Amino acid sequence: NAGVIQTPRHKVTGKGQEATLWCEPISGHSAVFWYRQTIVQGLEFLTYFRNQAPIDDSGMPKERFSAQMPNQSHSTLKIQSTQPQDSAVYLCASSLVGGGWGYEQYFGPGTRLTVL
Amino acid sequence: GQGVEQPAKLMSVEGTFARVNCTYSTSGFNGLSWYQQREGQAPVFLSYVVLDGLKDSGHFSTFLSRSNGYSYLLLTELQIKDSASYLCAVSNTGKLTFGDGTVLTVKP
Repeated sequence: NAGVIQTPRHKVTGKGQEATLWCEPISGHSAVFWYRQTIVQGLEFLTYFRNQAPIDDSGMPKERFSAQMPNQSHSTLKIQSTQPQDSAVYLCASSLVGGGWGYEQYFGPGTRLTVL
Repeated sequence: GQGVEQPAKLMSVEGTFARVNCTYSTSGFNGLSWYQQREGQAPVFLSYVVLDGLKDSGHFSTFLSRSNGYSYLLLTELQIKDSASYLCAVSNTGKLTFGDGTVLTVKP
């Protein structure tokens, strides 16, 4: 089992450019979560999908951030017109759906986004 | 909303124990999870609790008091390699709200 895969591991963009981050969940996991982590804000929930359907996007900045899960094997987080304050480590996690689901999440290594 | 609070730092001695505290105030609560995060790495799941009381999992034990909005992670027989950040997370319908983490330093 390869674990959660995230690509790229590092991304540098200029202010105003677009960034797309990719996540491949663990096979058989039907819940996929996106978080971002900074020293100042800590680990913040962004959005999650269950069986590919968007369930909760309450943590997403509405205007420039979007997430999709077109099939069970990958999800994307897209940031349009990136700003320096978007610089963070973006973490994807997956979990089983069932009794106790969501408590035990498996995290990918993260994508470190730097906006210059 | 949900607020999850943890002390920023904790120090203990190899071979002894450490208790990492977590308090929370929530509008919804399904359970509480603990994660370990080493510098530059992703969080790793340790344990979760749903019911009040102590859950003994060997090196890591967890306690929950839902009426007091309080949990702790107890690490026993500490080793130097237990030095890491420990994150408390409250679950509400699948979504996790994390505390800022407690950095545990284990000294020889």
